[in-house]
Amino acid sequence: EIVMTQSPLSLPVTPGEPASISCRSTQSLLHSNGHTYLGWYLQKPGQSPQLLIYWASNRASGVPDRFSGSASGTDFTLKIARVEAEDVGVYYCMQGLQSPYTFGQGTKLEIK
Amino acid sequence: EVQLLESGGSWVQPGGSLRLSCAASGFIFRDFAMTWVRQAPGKGLEWVASISGGGSASHDADSVKGRFTISRDNSMNNLYLQMNSLKDDDTAIYYCARGSEWLLPLEYLQDWGPGTLVSVSS
Repeated sequence: EIVMTQSPLSLPVTPGEPASISCRSTQSLLHSNGHTYLGWYLQKPGQSPQLLIYWASNRASGVPDRFSGSASGTDFTLKIARVEAEDVGVYYCMQGLQSPYTFGQGTKLEIK
Repeated sequence: EVQLLESGGSWVQPGGSLRLSCAASGFIFRDFAMTWVRQAPGKGLEWVASISGGGSASHDADSVKGRFTISRDNSMNNLYLQMNSLKDDDTAIYYCARGSEWLLPLEYLQDWGPGTLVSVSS
């Protein structure tokens, strides 16, 4: 089973400041087709999760460009260039390469 | 507009059974793998099961293996989760989600429903 480990688990941020969340997998998420099967999801309070980033660095439709994803081997990063109040919630990474598909523990972003 | 709407959640005693449904619209249902993800109260997300677009391939989590069965009816645009031998630990919101294409592996989940609550207790 591929284990996904996120850090930090709690992230207080001042509006307008940048934020960064890390996710590490226990093995490569690179598919033979060249795509990396790592996604980032945001679950806003009281809502269902929504896709932010797919293939490690591609923004989903409608996602603001202040969100970006990057990858280096088995280390993945979600960056928010300038945090806004509407960005509060829990952020999850998930690997979609191999069953059982696994999520990170979640990172709760809150506004200071 | 893609819409996913789960139904069938309720209270059930341990050992009981439930069948969840997910009605899909706004896309060609058979062209996409579908997935169930659950979230226990106050906890994180847990993948439960996925099924390919044609329904010929499926995967499920060890925690539900032998008790839950994922299936789909492409003529009705519905996804199902038959849950048997329910345990207290199965208490959660169950979300239906659309995959990226019709094959497995999962890749990513591009749309999610609002969820349906399953409560297992005596």
